[in-house]
Amino acid sequence: GAGVSQTPSNKVTEKGKYVELRCDPISGHTALYWYRQSLGQGPEFLIYFQGTGAADDSGLPNDRFFAVRPEGSVSTLKIQRTERGDSAVYLCASSLGQGVNEQFFGPGTRLTVL
Amino acid sequence: AQSVAQPEDQVNVAEGNPLTVKCTYSVSGNPYLFWYVQYPNRGLQFLLKYITGDNLVKGSYGFEAEFNKSQTSFHLKKPSALVSDSALYFCAVRDYTGTASKLTFGTGTRLQVTL
Repeated sequence: GAGVSQTPSNKVTEKGKYVELRCDPISGHTALYWYRQSLGQGPEFLIYFQGTGAADDSGLPNDRFFAVRPEGSVSTLKIQRTERGDSAVYLCASSLGQGVNEQFFGPGTRLTVL
Repeated sequence: AQSVAQPEDQVNVAEGNPLTVKCTYSVSGNPYLFWYVQYPNRGLQFLLKYITGDNLVKGSYGFEAEFNKSQTSFHLKKPSALVSDSALYFCAVRDYTGTASKLTFGTGTRLQVTL
């Protein structure tokens, strides 16, 4: 079966622009997570969805970041007024339900803000 | 707040020798611990997890990890390293408070296996 997919794989934008990053989780996985990985660092949690609702958005750095999952499957991470410091690899993961299940990661979207 | 420490930026080992990648954690309550591996230009791949029970956990590709509650450690091990094991390894922890199930990752350890 297909794994977690993310599009685009690379995104280059200019400071101040708006970007959307898409995640398509594994079919049947009700939990979906967004992480951000900067160079030389481990992934840092941004937001977690259980179904359509954001169960924990404590990792979003500020109100320029927003994510949605309207039908409980595909999710979109939206970044307004991008800044150079937003440059990173954005990782999406999904897992079965809410138990202690491993998270399966997508290949990531590399965002570069010029 | 939960945290993970990976004290070594890089571990070098010769092929055929045993390897250990260190991880210590801090969490309130029971820890749930994970190891992931990241190959260049590829996503994180799950290796193994500890939830409860036997302190020695076996995972993919011949890797295993030992949970030590008194030392708050979860070191990754393999009896005989392969060149193909060269990659970036991340330890992660989560606790099970409320509905949160986010993972907190360490900074990663680069494993270099040479002939």
